[in-house]
Amino acid sequence: SQELEQSPQSLIVQEGKNLTINCTSSKTLYGLYWYKQKYGEGLIFLMMLQKGGEEKSHEKITAKLDEKKQQSSLHITASQPSHAGIYLCGAAPDTGANNLFFGTGTRLTVIP
Amino acid sequence: DTGVSQDPRHKITKRGQNVTFRCDPISEHNRLYWYRQTLGQGPEFLTYFQNEAQLEKSRLLSDRFSAERPKGSFSTLEIQRTEQGDSAMYLCASSLLVYEQYFGPGTRLTVT
Repeated sequence: SQELEQSPQSLIVQEGKNLTINCTSSKTLYGLYWYKQKYGEGLIFLMMLQKGGEEKSHEKITAKLDEKKQQSSLHITASQPSHAGIYLCGAAPDTGANNLFFGTGTRLTVIP
Repeated sequence: DTGVSQDPRHKITKRGQNVTFRCDPISEHNRLYWYRQTLGQGPEFLTYFQNEAQLEKSRLLSDRFSAERPKGSFSTLEIQRTEQGDSAMYLCASSLLVYEQYFGPGTRLTVT
């Protein structure tokens, strides 16, 4: 079965610093989806990447998809306390699937 | 803008009791998903509805679990004869596009 490995598992940064979270798939990626989750709450959709080389930005968050490497990265510029939470990457198990499976998440703490 | 809502937000029950959770999706979304999330893990897919039809069920959905979506609107997830291993966050998501899923806040179930 396909797995999504996220690194690092947790990250503590000072406010204002940049950071990168990686998501690597054990198999071919048919799209990659980034979500953010506050502790004990539901997931908030951030971005969807579907094509190799695709890059999307939302406010200070940028995500890229490297299809050949079966990997995506999420980069936050000038982090703020509001960025704190758990970042999850999700992917479809195959082209015809109706569900997503997720990595175990990266817990981000931003120290003011 | 009304998002996905779930009720109740928290449920504590004794082992062996039945519980039912409700999910109200975004009104124009025809696709509805149930996921389960345990501490430190990403969400795991349980089942998927397109309109009122339940089209996919995960192996995680044992025969003690049943889900319905009458008239293609809200959905319910029932767990019969709860076990301690059922303790988790139960997340509902809805979408128009297959993978751009919008999640509700979740129902946290604790089985004592």
